[in-house]
Amino acid sequence: QVQLQESGPGLVKPSQTLSLTCSVSGGSISSGTYYWTWVRQPAGKGLEWIGRIYASGSTNLNPSLRSRVTISVDTSKNQFSLKLSSVTAADTAVYYCARSECTNGVCSPSTYWGQGTLVTVSS
Amino acid sequence: DVVMTQSPLSLPVTLGQPASISCRSSQSLVYSDGNTYLNWFQQRPGQSPRRLIYKVSNRDSGVSDRFSGSGSGTDFTLKISRVEAEDVGVYYCMQATHWPITFGLGTRLEIK
Repeated sequence: QVQLQESGPGLVKPSQTLSLTCSVSGGSISSGTYYWTWVRQPAGKGLEWIGRIYASGSTNLNPSLRSRVTISVDTSKNQFSLKLSSVTAADTAVYYCARSECTNGVCSPSTYWGQGTLVTVSS
Repeated sequence: DVVMTQSPLSLPVTLGQPASISCRSSQSLVYSDGNTYLNWFQQRPGQSPRRLIYKVSNRDSGVSDRFSGSGSGTDFTLKISRVEAEDVGVYYCMQATHWPITFGLGTRLEIK
């Protein structure tokens, strides 16, 4: 059974960089036609897709966040990471990592999600 | 970006009664391969989202057959045949046909 677990600081100061890691267990991050995805959810609001990465390091990022987002993968540790720079209060949210499954090049988050981690941007 | 519009935003339902949630997209969700990449997610209170339905009408493993998805093009529906207490939560539609992936704002299902 694949499991994902987010980790990282729960509090980040404005203008700094948010950094989160997602650890994958129960399967190799390098196997299969999966993309590894970040999604966020501001308190009381809906879901926003941030971006995804393949084991090769190839990424696709939401254009609305692209200038501030970096997603990377460490296959030796079976982890992938998110960095979001120049954060403001608007970036306060629960951040989820998830596995995306692909069909004919179309990939979307599926069954496996982390439990989510709350990141608050505040001084 | 493709806008996903859900209705209603709040859905009070009596236990044992059916429920229906509508999702409309601002563009057709039919992909060049002929598939329609419209998914439904359930998010119970305090939990992560869970996918229920993929490609319009396919139930994920372990999902009750009380849940069904239908629709085509730009109009889609999630139906629950008989609402149970465990169905309380927020339901989201999501499209993956167009870049970037976008979600609806969610429909909050509650028990009357």
